[in-house]
Amino acid sequence: GDSVTQMEGPVTLSEEAFLTINCTYTATGYPSLFWYVQYPGEGLQLLLKATKADDKGSNKGFEATYRKETTSFHLEKGSVQVSDSAVYFCALSDRTNAGKSTFGDGTTLTVKP
Amino acid sequence: NAGVTQTPKFRVLKTGQSMTLLCAQDMNHEYMYWYRQDPGMGLRLIHYSVGEGTTAKGEVPDGYNVSRLKKQNFLLGLESAAPSQTSVYFCASRTITTGIYGYTFGSGTRLTVV
Repeated sequence: GDSVTQMEGPVTLSEEAFLTINCTYTATGYPSLFWYVQYPGEGLQLLLKATKADDKGSNKGFEATYRKETTSFHLEKGSVQVSDSAVYFCALSDRTNAGKSTFGDGTTLTVKP
Repeated sequence: NAGVTQTPKFRVLKTGQSMTLLCAQDMNHEYMYWYRQDPGMGLRLIHYSVGEGTTAKGEVPDGYNVSRLKKQNFLLGLESAAPSQTSVYFCASRTITTGIYGYTFGSGTRLTVV
């Protein structure tokens, strides 16, 4: 079945540091890929997405590129802020299976001033 | 535009009690899902629905039932709660354009079974 593997956390960075959270996937079909963010006490919010190979999703300074050859979708941000502290989930969605998504286990990011 | 609304937000149950969690969406989405979130285990799919009157089992369906009598509502029931069902429950929905659009999530229900 489909699976998503995220780098283990937690990740602690200083403000303005560069962020990378690794994500790799296994899928039988040709999935769409997503990053979600969850702030404390809240539900997940869609951060960015990519629907085909070499697509780059971007939002709020975060970016991720769909790499079919390495089955990866790594999340990056050039300069993190304290307000970016949250849990980040990588996910894939199989276009042919009722739109069900498979999620990674989440990576907790803490940004210190 | 409220999006996805879950009620209640918090609940404490005694072992063996029953309850229903309500999810309501106002975006006319066809697909709806119930997930549970446990520490270190990500999100696991409990049940889902691809349209009014239809439901299907997900990855961890045991001990739960669901109903989708109206397109906008998706109910999750626990007939006899167990401590292993202590978790945070999230409802999500998406449009029928499968896979291209992400989920819209509710804010969650934190359930404790004692």
